[in-house]
Amino acid sequence: KAGVTQTPRYLIKTRGQQVTLSCSPISGHRSVSWYQQTPGQGLQFLFEYFSETQRNKGNFPGRFSGRQFSNSRSEMNVSTLELGDSALYLCASSGLEGNNEQFFGPGTRLTVL
Amino acid sequence: GQQLNQSPQSMFIQEGEDVSMNCTSSSIFNTWLWYKQDPGEGPVLLIALYKAGELTSNGRLTAQFGITRKDSFLNISASIPSDVGIYFCAGRHSGTYKYIFGTGTRLKVLA
Repeated sequence: KAGVTQTPRYLIKTRGQQVTLSCSPISGHRSVSWYQQTPGQGLQFLFEYFSETQRNKGNFPGRFSGRQFSNSRSEMNVSTLELGDSALYLCASSGLEGNNEQFFGPGTRLTVL
Repeated sequence: GQQLNQSPQSMFIQEGEDVSMNCTSSSIFNTWLWYKQDPGEGPVLLIALYKAGELTSNGRLTAQFGITRKDSFLNISASIPSDVGIYFCAGRHSGTYKYIFGTGTRLKVLA
């Protein structure tokens, strides 16, 4: 079974731009969660989607948004990028109803200049 | 954002030694997960725990779900150089779908 895939793996943007990251969960998994990882703040929860609906949201500004498609693939978008948005963005998928273990993708390394 | 207290923050050990780390929370969890992350990669799930007192092994790794449900422990026996990395715990409250992560333990193994 293929694991969680994320594209692109690396991205460089400048302040003010927007970016869209993509995540394909493990086949059959319907829950996708997004995290931001930085050296200073660790792994911070962004949001979680299940069956195309956002079920949980972390404490991030509205510039961070996401969506999930009917095939469970998910995208997250960050608008008006700031230098502090530079981070590793990870997505994780869960099977069943999403209330069990999470499996992570390799992440997208975003650098904002 | 909320994070769990994980200790130690980092440790150097000799190859062949046993390693212990733990994670504590101020609230009760009904699931604990332990992950290992290598540089530039996503975390890899090592062990999942679902019941208070549960002890689960995965090769040289053993994890326990604390009986108070507010803590969890990970032990690595006979460490080897490839054990180097950052180990994270993650906990989930009953009725939620969101995991809260620990601050990480950076492990360095001296050959």
